[in-house]
Amino acid sequence: KNEVEQSPQNLTAQEGEFITINCSYSVGISALHWLQQHPGGGIVSLFMLSSGKKKHGRLIATINIQEKHSSLHITASHPRDSAVYICAVITGSNYKLTFGKGTLLTVNP
Amino acid sequence: DARVTQTPRHKVTEMGQEVTMRCQPILGHNTVFWYRQTMMQGLELLAYFRNRAPLDDSGMPKDRFSAEMPDATLATLKIQPSEPRDSAVYFCASGYRALAKNIQYFGAGTRLSVL
Repeated sequence: KNEVEQSPQNLTAQEGEFITINCSYSVGISALHWLQQHPGGGIVSLFMLSSGKKKHGRLIATINIQEKHSSLHITASHPRDSAVYICAVITGSNYKLTFGKGTLLTVNP
Repeated sequence: DARVTQTPRHKVTEMGQEVTMRCQPILGHNTVFWYRQTMMQGLELLAYFRNRAPLDDSGMPKDRFSAEMPDATLATLKIQPSEPRDSAVYFCASGYRALAKNIQYFGAGTRLSVL
């Protein structure tokens, strides 16, 4: 069983819809990253969270350390949001990163 | 516009050949990471450096892979000898201070095909 589980694996939405991607993990962590990988392959780090909530534009990330769960929300989704969203947790004293398998989001116009 | 630069972008080689991938981290960043991405395994951390010293390379097959930082502006990942199962996209990322404190900036990746 993976230490980091994302759901759903694939998500298709219509432009304007509110999107939620979930990440659950089974180990103690010091922080969690949300990454975005575009169809061309480039990876962008969106958020680093250790507690609470962060917001950047239409993106909101939340984390509940007790429940070992994080969510990434996209408000007013747009076709340019189409990408793979990857959750990664930081564990251990050496800050080892463990990745989820990613969620493929497709937003149709 | 500061960015992490990786070369080459694409590499096709034959099994048994040596492959060297290079990464120029963002100036001033003191942490460098090497990741590998495949369809089957997704993203995996191979190794990372802080202030040029290797901190963790437990994700890297030691018999054929080696990672070094000869100076603050260059990180290298070598595979010798390469095998078809090494075919993947290799990403370098850099950051400042601890992972838990800062965002990482990713290079565009080196797409490696070993025939």
